[in-house]
Amino acid sequence: DQQVKQNSPSLSVQEGRISILNCDYTNSMFDYFLWYKKYPAEGPTFLISISSIKDKNEDGRFTVFLNKSAKHLSLHIVPSQPGDSAVYFCAAHGDSGNTPLVFGKGTRLSVIA
Amino acid sequence: GAGVSQSPSNKVTEKGKDVELRCDPISGHTALYWYRQSLGQGLEFLIYFQGNSAPDKSGLPSDRFSAERTGGSVSTLTIQRTQQEDSAVYLCASSWLAGAGYNEQFFGPGTRLTVL
Repeated sequence: DQQVKQNSPSLSVQEGRISILNCDYTNSMFDYFLWYKKYPAEGPTFLISISSIKDKNEDGRFTVFLNKSAKHLSLHIVPSQPGDSAVYFCAAHGDSGNTPLVFGKGTRLSVIA
Repeated sequence: GAGVSQSPSNKVTEKGKDVELRCDPISGHTALYWYRQSLGQGLEFLIYFQGNSAPDKSGLPSDRFSAERTGGSVSTLTIQRTQQEDSAVYLCASSWLAGAGYNEQFFGPGTRLTVL
């Protein structure tokens, strides 16, 4: 049973528009949520995180929103740029340090110029 | 500052052979993780090291899989008697020891394993 779900395998957005990537989770013990970005033939790179005590975290063009009651989070990228084209993974872990991350299957974002 | 490195980058092997995959974490990172990504799947946790010990081996799919870490640094993931379903990208990550807070893990580029 998947604990972290990304239900959209792919998303296509025009350059300059907003990209919204969604993620749902089932485990109420998750305390931290992270987004990773992955280019082909490279490892995932950390993008942004949010803890369960917050509902929003912003870093430049990237904002993550958390709705804890709905067990839902989303990553907003605005404005989207062609270089944002990659696979985005949602991940989560509990409150203890060094626990393994539980990943979703990823969403492939294509930003069209 | 070198990141996490993995070798080989690609490995093609025949069914039934043993393979060893290597991970060099970021210097000073005490936690090391192995994940794998099969086609169309997310990253699946395999095993985690804190120093040289492995508190969590729960993700290892079978007893053909083993891993060790020596000197609190380099780790080797060994797959014995490989099967076609072992074909995947094997990713290693490392992080600082942390008592709490979010666990940002730094990933290597992965080893793509193909079992014929």
